[in-house]
Amino acid sequence: NAGVTQTPKFRVLKTGQSMTLLCAQDMNHEYMYWYRQDPGMGLRLIHYSVGEGTTAKGEVPDGYNVSRLKKQNFLLGLESAAPSQTSVYFCASSYHVLQEQFFGPGTRLTVL
Amino acid sequence: GENVEQHPSTLSVQEGDSAVIKCTYSDSASNYFPWYKQELGKGPQLIIDIRSNVGEKKDQRIAVTLNKTAKHFSLHITETQPEDSAVYFCAASLTGNQFYFGTGTSLTVIP
Repeated sequence: NAGVTQTPKFRVLKTGQSMTLLCAQDMNHEYMYWYRQDPGMGLRLIHYSVGEGTTAKGEVPDGYNVSRLKKQNFLLGLESAAPSQTSVYFCASSYHVLQEQFFGPGTRLTVL
Repeated sequence: GENVEQHPSTLSVQEGDSAVIKCTYSDSASNYFPWYKQELGKGPQLIIDIRSNVGEKKDQRIAVTLNKTAKHFSLHITETQPEDSAVYFCAASLTGNQFYFGTGTSLTVIP
């Protein structure tokens, strides 16, 4: 099992550009999450999904959109990137609520 | 929303000593408290968790204690080893849909 994988690992964008981050899990988990990690601020939840076809806003959703068309994939989109979105992005999944979240290796995004 | 505070932000201990990291939370309805370890360049990994109906949980050299009245929980690592060096995050969750993380503690174990 690959667990949780994220694509790409690194990306540099210019302000105003768009991109999509892909998260895939092969553990048949219902729940999937997108976090951003900034120095001194820990992990903050952007969006999450409780099952295929569902999405919901987390703590810091502005400037991001998500989609969960297939159970195993969770996509995070930036329509018009801003320097404030420079961060490390982590995807996570869990089988059920209040259970262990399995994290991917992260995507380091720099917006110039 | 929930607010989780974590202390200290950095911690250095001699190999073999104990390390304690403390977190407080604001929402008394929170009922699940996991601890994650993050090694450099990797995603966080769960090391131990505790639910609100339990006061203490142990797993070999790692233990977590929960004081619901005071709204704080702590991670205890005994007999620390160099491979324990990492960043540790606490978190709190009410529904399981949203997790609120502390700001992290960078632990260094000095050989």
